[in-house]
Amino acid sequence: AQSVSQHNHHVILSEAASLELGCNYSYGGTVNLFWYVQYPGQHLQLLLKYFSGDPLVKGIKGFEAEFIKSKFSFNLRKPSVQWSDTAEYFCAVNAGYSTLTFGKGTMLLVSP
Amino acid sequence: DGGITQSPKYLFRKEGQNVTLSCEQNLNHDAMYWYRQDPGQGLRLIYYSQIVNDFQKGDIAEGYSVSREKKESFPLTVTSAQKNPTAFYLCASSQAGGFRNEQFFGPGTRLTVL
Repeated sequence: AQSVSQHNHHVILSEAASLELGCNYSYGGTVNLFWYVQYPGQHLQLLLKYFSGDPLVKGIKGFEAEFIKSKFSFNLRKPSVQWSDTAEYFCAVNAGYSTLTFGKGTMLLVSP
Repeated sequence: DGGITQSPKYLFRKEGQNVTLSCEQNLNHDAMYWYRQDPGQGLRLIYYSQIVNDFQKGDIAEGYSVSREKKESFPLTVTSAQKNPTAFYLCASSQAGGFRNEQFFGPGTRLTVL
């Protein structure tokens, strides 16, 4: 069975700092990868996704993620965070005909 | 305004009672899903339905039941058999079945069993 690991449960950054949230998965075949975000008081929504092609994927609000197949990783990045990026971030993986498996989430707090 | 509605937002029940959580979507999506979210646990799939009148168990289906009689509705019943029902429940839908499609989520229902 596939699994998803998010290394940091809580991250605290100051505004303008760079962000990288780690995500690793366990599955040797073809995968579809997602990052979802849950802003305070809002619905969970898709940030970005990777199916195939260019391993560097750009999403909404200046976020990007890089798929590194050899490392089974799909890390989320943003060069300069804002206070409005405070949210919980979930990495998710779908492999083959399996369901979508979510990581445990990373709570990001950006201080102004 | 298209989207997914879940009601109620907060729900309190006594132990031993069954309770049904509502989920409605007007996105004309074929597939619908129920997840449970616990602090520090991420989202875990309870049940999903890829088409009307059909549904499958997810990873943690024990103690839950669903129905999918209409395309727009996918209610979840938390039965008295669910050992730890207090949680945040999220409903989602996607345009077609298959878990590679973007899922759209509702606002959630927070269930507390006393």
